[in-house]
Parts: sequence; structure tokens; C-alpha cells
Amino acid sequence: AQSVTQLGSHVSVSEGALVLLRCNYSSSVPPYLFWYVQYPNQGLQLLLKYTSAATLVKGINGFEAEFKKSETSFHLTKPSAHMRDAAEYFCAVSEGFQKLVFGTGTRLLVSP
Amino acid sequence: DADVTQTPRNRITKTGKRIMLECSQTKGHDRMYWYRQDPGLGLRLIYYSFDVKDINKGEISDGYSVSRQAQAKFSLSLESAIPNQTALYFCATSDLQGVAGELFFGEGSRLTVL
Repeated sequence: AQSVTQLGSHVSVSEGALVLLRCNYSSSVPPYLFWYVQYPNQGLQLLLKYTSAATLVKGINGFEAEFKKSETSFHLTKPSAHMRDAAEYFCAVSEGFQKLVFGTGTRLLVSP
Repeated sequence: DADVTQTPRNRITKTGKRIMLECSQTKGHDRMYWYRQDPGLGLRLIYYSFDVKDINKGEISDGYSVSRQAQAKFSLSLESAIPNQTALYFCATSDLQGVAGELFFGEGSRLTVL
């Protein structure tokens, strides 16, 4: 079965610093990969997705992720963190038919 | 108004009680899902439905049942609630024709079982 592993349950950065959230996947077939964001007291919303087109994927709010098959990774980055980026971020892989398997989540803390 | 609406948003109940969580959507999507979120465990799929006549178990369906009353409505029931069902529950929808994996989530229903 497909799965994703998110390294680090919490990541703390200062405002303006680089954001790097790590995700590694396991899949026997070319995967579809996703990052979702959950702001406090809200549901999840799609941040970006990889569907076998360009390996560098740009999403909303300045985030991007790069699919690296050799490393089975799909890390999420943002050059400069903003206070409003504080949220929980989930990596997910599709098992087909739009049935997603989510990682355990990484909470991003942004300090002034 | 939200496209995916969950009721109730918060519920405290006692062990052994029957609980129903309801989800309705105005997005016109065929596919609906129920997920459970627990700290440190992420989201886990309970049940999903690809149309009104289709119901499928997810990875953690034991202790839960669902009903797809209409294209727009998908309810989750706990027939006899137990404390380890305390969690945040999310309903989500997706479009058969849409981007693979793009789910649209409700705001969640927080359930506490005492």
C-alpha cells in the first residue's frame, strides 16, 4: 500500500526564514502527491499537487514542492515565512480513484 | 455559506450513546468521504461513497456506519460510542471529473465521548 512519511511533527522558523517541510512517499506505481494545509479551526485545503507533469510544482501562498523520484521525496518549501503561514501541513498520496492516504502532519510555528 | 457543511460542529456524549454526524454539500460533487483526525496520526479514511448507490469501507470503518441519503448528503453514525472514538471528524467531497486528489473539506465535527 502507498504511504507517506512526514519528518518532524513540529517545525519552528522565524518570520522571513526559509520553510522546509519534509515528505517521503512509498509507492509501487507513479504516484500522485499532494500538500494540504489546515489553518486553526478549519478544514484542510489543497496547497499544491504533483500529477506527473512538471517535477517542480508551484502552489498557493508562495509555496512550492519538488518531486524527486530518486529520493522518493516531495518536500514543501517557501523562501520566506510569514506569520499567516502558521498552520498544520499534510502530505498525501493517491491510491487511485481519488482516495488519499495522508501523512501524520507537520505543525509550522512562525515566530516574529 | 460553506460549500461543505457539517453538523454538529461540537458534540459531547457518553459511552454507549448513538451519534450521527451529518454532512451536506452544495458543490454538486458525486464523491463524498468521512475522515477522522487524531493528533499525531493525521487523517484516516472511515468510509467513502462515489455515488448514491455506492458505499465503501475505508481503513478504520469498525464501529461506524454511513448513509448516503442523496447526492448532497452523507451521514456518519456511531451506533454505540466509545471513548476512543473521541476525535475530529471531517467530511470531504471531490468531483469525478476534477483534479485527482483534490478534496474539499468541511470545517470538522469535534466529538468527545466520555
